[in-house]
Amino acid sequence: DAKTTQPPSMDCAEGRAANLPCNHSTISGNEYVYWYRQIHSQGPQYIIHGLKNNETNEMASLIITEDRKSSTLILPHATLRDTAVYYCIVKGYNQGGKLIFGQGTELSVKP
Amino acid sequence: NAGVTQTPKFQVLKTGQSMTLQCAQDMNHEYMSWYRQDPGMGLRLIHYSVGAGITDQGEVPNGYNVSRSTTEDFPLRLLSAAPSQTSVYFCASHTIQGSYNEQFFGPGTRLTVL
Repeated sequence: DAKTTQPPSMDCAEGRAANLPCNHSTISGNEYVYWYRQIHSQGPQYIIHGLKNNETNEMASLIITEDRKSSTLILPHATLRDTAVYYCIVKGYNQGGKLIFGQGTELSVKP
Repeated sequence: NAGVTQTPKFQVLKTGQSMTLQCAQDMNHEYMSWYRQDPGMGLRLIHYSVGAGITDQGEVPNGYNVSRSTTEDFPLRLLSAAPSQTSVYFCASHTIQGSYNEQFFGPGTRLTVL
């Protein structure tokens, strides 16, 4: 599995967009980018995933660069409840459920 | 659906004791796995199972045993607890049908080994 690099922490003002970057320069052609988040001591929660096209769901948007070496998770209108650790994970589609978690980005949404 | 449930929520053990952490899911998921999370760290995979009767090791399997006799249950056994096993343990499940399979995590078991 490709390694990912994320900033250890970020701040965001409530109501503003939170843009969380992730570098995955060694990603291979059949590997997806997944995002999970973990709200204080709870189990991780799936947010979104993508291969090469940008994706959007009710929680967030995922922007993947054309060379696929980096991506950005966007929370369009961050709320205090979005304060959490966000994990960017790269994994092949046929590699079962073995998620390799890094240290993630601790996002603090401030009023 | 209850989703993924874990018991107990908290446990304190003495060094050398054994115990079983319980995990159950009611979503008929084929795939189940156990992770541990140490303070300030990401989750690390201990063991996983792709179906009843099939288990395999993850990144950090030493000191733990698993079995999968039913689709619903995936218990994790600590054979002889050590202080290094003090951690939060998460169980997860997902289906292997379809194009992508979101993993559902339980609420965790917080284990302290003295």
